[in-house]
Order: sequence, then structure tokens, then C-alpha cells
Amino acid sequence: ETGVTQTPRHLVMGMTNKKSLKCEQHLGHNAMYWYKQSAKKPLELMFVYNFKEQTENNSVPSRFSPECPNSSHLFLHLHTLQPEDSALYLCASSQGTFEAGELFFGEGSRLTVL
Amino acid sequence: GQNIDQPTEMTATEGAIVQINCTYQTSGFNGLFWYQQHAGEAPTFLSYNVLDGLEEKGRFSSFLSRSKGYSYLLLKELQMKDSASYLCVPLDSNYQLIWGAGTKLIIKP
Repeated sequence: ETGVTQTPRHLVMGMTNKKSLKCEQHLGHNAMYWYKQSAKKPLELMFVYNFKEQTENNSVPSRFSPECPNSSHLFLHLHTLQPEDSALYLCASSQGTFEAGELFFGEGSRLTVL
Repeated sequence: GQNIDQPTEMTATEGAIVQINCTYQTSGFNGLFWYQQHAGEAPTFLSYNVLDGLEEKGRFSSFLSRSKGYSYLLLKELQMKDSASYLCVPLDSNYQLIWGAGTKLIIKP
């Protein structure tokens, strides 16, 4: 496999559910990111990990909990979400955070919260 | 504050040339990226400019003027598959990408 892979591609969950999004990159990159994209809005940076360490949390509510066990894997744990959290969640990677401009994105996980 | 200004939408004809302009204001500057995003898909990297001038890559070229806070993306020999949103994304002094809403480009036959 190559590139950045996200699973699941689509997820529907109730407000009381707990689910997780998974991201895996096969590019040998050291930095990984979670972005949120709501309809017709710019991308919003949520979290940044560099060499497995979280370097940025962009004031994201605690109902979103990231986990980065190694440089190749990134998770976003979801619990007690709200309908306004429905969006496309994009994982991305880059060589390092100083190369943050050339991002390689996964295909995204489209989340619907009922 | 940090700001990006691009047209919301543009229409062009297949086979023609289109120029998408972008002006930006950022806290410091470490280069500017152009990304393409098809509807419902993830953005893909197109180009990067850090110095003034024109960078050419096949049918796509990107220009930067740092003193004017201005960039453009030039697309030649337009194809139907070029219908997408084009995002002008500057990198600020903290190496943070500043994302805007982009320009939706519609290609007509």
C-alpha cells in the first residue's frame, strides 16, 4: 500500500456512541495531522503530531481525542458528539512540521452525527 | 489578522486558459501553496512558491509577488477534469498553513 489510508470512509453515529477514525501513512513521514472540513468552509486544523508527540491542539473540544502510537498511525477517538460535528475528517502527513505545506491527504472519513 | 482573498467561483471553457488570482495577508511568510480539491475529495498539492516569480509545471503555472502579497495560478489547455476548487494556501511564520475557502472553477464544453 502507498500513500495515506483512512478508515472508515463513511461513518454514521448517534450522539451517545463511541467510535474511532483510523489513519495510516506509508510514506515514511514524521508529521501527521487531523483536519476537519465542514460543508463550504475552509479546512480547520485540529491536531498535529510530530515524531509521535502532539505539538498542536487547536482548541478542539475534548469529545475528540487523538492518539498517535507511532509515526505511521493516527487515530481520532469520538464520543458524545454533536450534530454540528458532522463533517469530512481528513488525515494528512508531511515529511516534518517544517515541510507542513506539502501535505499528503487521505481520502477522508465522512462523519454524520444523528 | 490573517486573510486570503480569492474569487468564489469562476467559469471557463474547455481548451482555454484561466488565471485564478489570490491576495493574502499573513503573520510572516514562508511560502505559498496551491492545492486542487475535487468535490467530496481530499486536497492534492499542485505547486509551491517561496521566491518571487513563475513556477511552471506542465499545464499549470504559479506566480508569486511577496511585496504585493499576491499570487496566481494559471491553467492552460483546460480539460473537463480541471473542474474543482483551487486553494491558495500561504504558510505563515510559525509554519502554519492558512486555508481559505478557495475558488470553485467550472469548466464548460
